Amino acid sequence: DAKTTQPNSMESNEEEPVHLPCNHSTISGTDYIHWYRQLPSQGPEYVIHGLTSNVNNRMASLAIAEDRKSSTLILHRATLRDAAVYYCILRDRRTASKLTFGTGTRLQVTL
Amino acid sequence: EAGVAQSPRYKIIEKRQSVAFWCNPISGHATLYWYQQILGQGPKLLIQFQNNGVVDDSQLPKDRFSAERLKGVDSTLKIQPAKLEDSAVYLCASSLESGRSYEQYFGPGTRLTVT
Repeated sequence: DAKTTQPNSMESNEEEPVHLPCNHSTISGTDYIHWYRQLPSQGPEYVIHGLTSNVNNRMASLAIAEDRKSSTLILHRATLRDAAVYYCILRDRRTASKLTFGTGTRLQVTL
Repeated sequence: EAGVAQSPRYKIIEKRQSVAFWCNPISGHATLYWYQQILGQGPKLLIQFQNNGVVDDSQLPKDRFSAERLKGVDSTLKIQPAKLEDSAVYLCASSLESGRSYEQYFGPGTRLTVT
């Protein structure tokens, strides 16, 4: 599985935008970029995914670099409920299914 | 829509004892996964079922771990005998089908402590 690199932790103030980076320099043409997050004492939850184009949904936006070697998850207005570990995962669309989690980025949100 | 259900939520056992975890996936979800999450790490896939067949169990320690999904719905994960290093959260997840569905839905997990 192609590897992703994320910062161990980040901090943000409430109601400010947050940009969570992910490097995936060995990404292949068949890899989707997925983001999941895990709130304290809960299982992970799906946030967003994309292949080449930027994507938006009700939770977040995903900005994908033109060469696809990096991506950024954007939370437009962080709230205290967004404090979680965010995982960037590459998932081969040919085999799909399997999620290989790294250690993710722990996001702290303060007042 | 009801989410993925798991029980028990917490379990404490002594090493060499056996333990079983139960998972009820979201109704209609053909694919079921068991993950192990050790403190400070991301979840690691143990086994994946498509209906009642095993798709991937390459990271399941088969000398002590077993899992079944009879009738393609509920699933049970068993550890026998448990070791100290099995202390972790065991997460169950489900998805509509392997390949087409992008989202995996996770349960709250079972926290296992082996003393």
